[in-house]
Amino acid sequence: EVQLVQSGVEVKKPGESLKISCKASGYSFTNYWIGWVRQMPGKGLEWMGMIYPGDSDTKYSPSFQGQVTISADKSISTAYLQWSGLMASDTGMFYCARLYSNSFIDFWGQGTLVTVSS
Amino acid sequence: DIQLTQSPSFLSASVGDRVTISCRASQGIRSYLAWYQQKPGKAPNLLIYTASSLQSGVPSRFSGSGSGTEFTLTISSLQPEDFATYYCQQLDSHPYTFGQGTNLEIK
Repeated sequence: EVQLVQSGVEVKKPGESLKISCKASGYSFTNYWIGWVRQMPGKGLEWMGMIYPGDSDTKYSPSFQGQVTISADKSISTAYLQWSGLMASDTGMFYCARLYSNSFIDFWGQGTLVTVSS
Repeated sequence: DIQLTQSPSFLSASVGDRVTISCRASQGIRSYLAWYQQKPGKAPNLLIYTASSLQSGVPSRFSGSGSGTEFTLTISSLQPEDFATYYCQQLDSHPYTFGQGTNLEIK
């Protein structure tokens, strides 16, 4: 059974750093792209970027380029999304998702809620 | 980036109604379009991929059509569990943008 299990709720202050995780199981982690999607409170889905764990090829949406870093550790089948200096506007729910054949998202993580507030 | 515009943004309908949601792309995306359903507090769920293929386990009342720039999601007979928000996503070229969503509410 394919599963993407994300790390838990985070409450941070502006300027702090954060790394959230997405642990994959039930399939070959290195053979599928993993994407990250943001959903701000009460808003729609926003595509942030993706990584191919097999060779760490990474693509970012221009809206998020330079704002976040996507990485993966294939030895533990885990993808990461990190910030070096959080802002209040980074508050939201963040989902990791598996892309099937780079054509659609077939599995989603449960989401990680990040709240940034002073 | 490719822009996706869904219409309508809000839709009020009754159980048993046939509803159609449109998704228009700012440039051609062949058939690389997916539709997702999202319920409050939950991750999205895949309904339709490559414009018209029904994901396994999804009821047959859901269907998708279109190619190029115009796409449609149709629910043939609304059931109570279908009231949710629906999103289209293009996966033709990165970044893989989403439409703004259609909130389907009970009339």
